[in-house]
Amino acid sequence: KAGVTQTPRYLIKTRGQQVTLSCSPISGHRSVSWYQQTPGQGLQFLFEYFSETQRNKGNFPGRFSGRQFSNSRSEMNVSTLELGDSALYLCASSLAGGGAKTQYFGPGTRLLVL
Amino acid sequence: DQQVKQNSPSLSVQEGRISILNCDYTNSMFDYFLWYKKYPAEGPTFLISISSIKDKNEDGRFTVFLNKSAKHLSLHIVPSQPGDSAVYFCAATGTDSNYQLIWGAGTKLIIKP
Repeated sequence: KAGVTQTPRYLIKTRGQQVTLSCSPISGHRSVSWYQQTPGQGLQFLFEYFSETQRNKGNFPGRFSGRQFSNSRSEMNVSTLELGDSALYLCASSLAGGGAKTQYFGPGTRLLVL
Repeated sequence: DQQVKQNSPSLSVQEGRISILNCDYTNSMFDYFLWYKKYPAEGPTFLISISSIKDKNEDGRFTVFLNKSAKHLSLHIVPSQPGDSAVYFCAATGTDSNYQLIWGAGTKLIIKP
């Protein structure tokens, strides 16, 4: 079974621009979560989508948004980029809430904001 | 409020010896705990998990111990190998968090040859 894939793997943007990151979960997984990791920091939870609905949300400003499609693929959008948005953005998928709690991660998208 | 804490930012262990990584939590509603391993510039990889109905789970060189009364879990790696050098994250979840994983800040494990 193919793992979680994220595109693009690397991205360079300038302040004020916007960016869209994509995540394809493991086949059959319906839950997709997004995390931000900056140097020296743990995983900061952004949001989780399940069946095209945002189920959980972390403490990030409204510039960070996401969506999930009917095939469970998810996108994350960051508008009006700031230098502090430079980070590794990770996507994780799991079967569903309830009994399946283990999340499986993609390789991440490295975003650099100049 | 940090519900999952990994108080050691780093740990250095001799190759072949035991590595013990610790994690404390505050929410008594957590009922499932996981350990992940992360190399630089990669996504975390699931290592091992434990349900709150157990106090120990073993998988090869990795064993996780859960002490519910102390709200403490630990990951033991025996014997430690150079490839174990990575950042280890513990995470917890439960009905209280709507099954969202709550993460610790991570512990960087360095295995010395």
